[in-house]
Amino acid sequence: DAGVIQSPRHEVTEMGQEVTLRCKPISGHNSLFWYRQTMMRGLELLIYFNNNVPIDDSGMPEDRFSAKMPNASFSTLKIQPSEPRDSAVYFCASSSGSRVQPQHFGDGTRLSIL
Amino acid sequence: DQQVKQNSPSLSVQEGRISILNCDYTNSMFDYFLWYKKYPAEGPTFLISISSIKDKNEDGRFTVFLNKSAKHLSLHIVPSQPGDSAVYFCAASKIGGGADGLTFGKGTHLIIQP
Repeated sequence: DAGVIQSPRHEVTEMGQEVTLRCKPISGHNSLFWYRQTMMRGLELLIYFNNNVPIDDSGMPEDRFSAKMPNASFSTLKIQPSEPRDSAVYFCASSSGSRVQPQHFGDGTRLSIL
Repeated sequence: DQQVKQNSPSLSVQEGRISILNCDYTNSMFDYFLWYKKYPAEGPTFLISISSIKDKNEDGRFTVFLNKSAKHLSLHIVPSQPGDSAVYFCAASKIGGGADGLTFGKGTHLIIQP
């Protein structure tokens, strides 16, 4: 079975550019989560969706960050304009939404903003 | 303020011995706890979980213990094997493993020595 698929795996871009990270959740999963990992703050939740609807975006750091889930099989996390402090590994995870079923993570996108 | 704390950034254990990883939490609303394992350049992989109504959950070589009064949980791996070398994250949720965003500790790097 295909797991959570994230693209690109690596992104290097200059400050001020728009960055779009993509995620395809596991088929049949109806909850999707975006996390960010940095040395200083560790793994932190940015936003999550249930049945394509954003439920909690309190972790989104600034208005420069936005996330969408136009359908059950695709989500994007966009940063516009990007800044060097946005450099991190961004993970997408999905789950069936069940209390006892765990979240499954993709392999992440390593983002470097120069 | 970190709500989930893993106070040991690294731990070295000899192959065949028991590995004990510790985790403390401060938020009494957390009622579901998970351990994830992470290899370099990969996403976290679910290992084992425990609900707050239990004090122990076992799965093969892995056992998680929960002490609610102390707000403390631990992961025991016995016997430790070379493939167990990885970063281990403790995570907590107020609703359940797949139904809510997770709050992660910063991880413990476990090194199994031959």
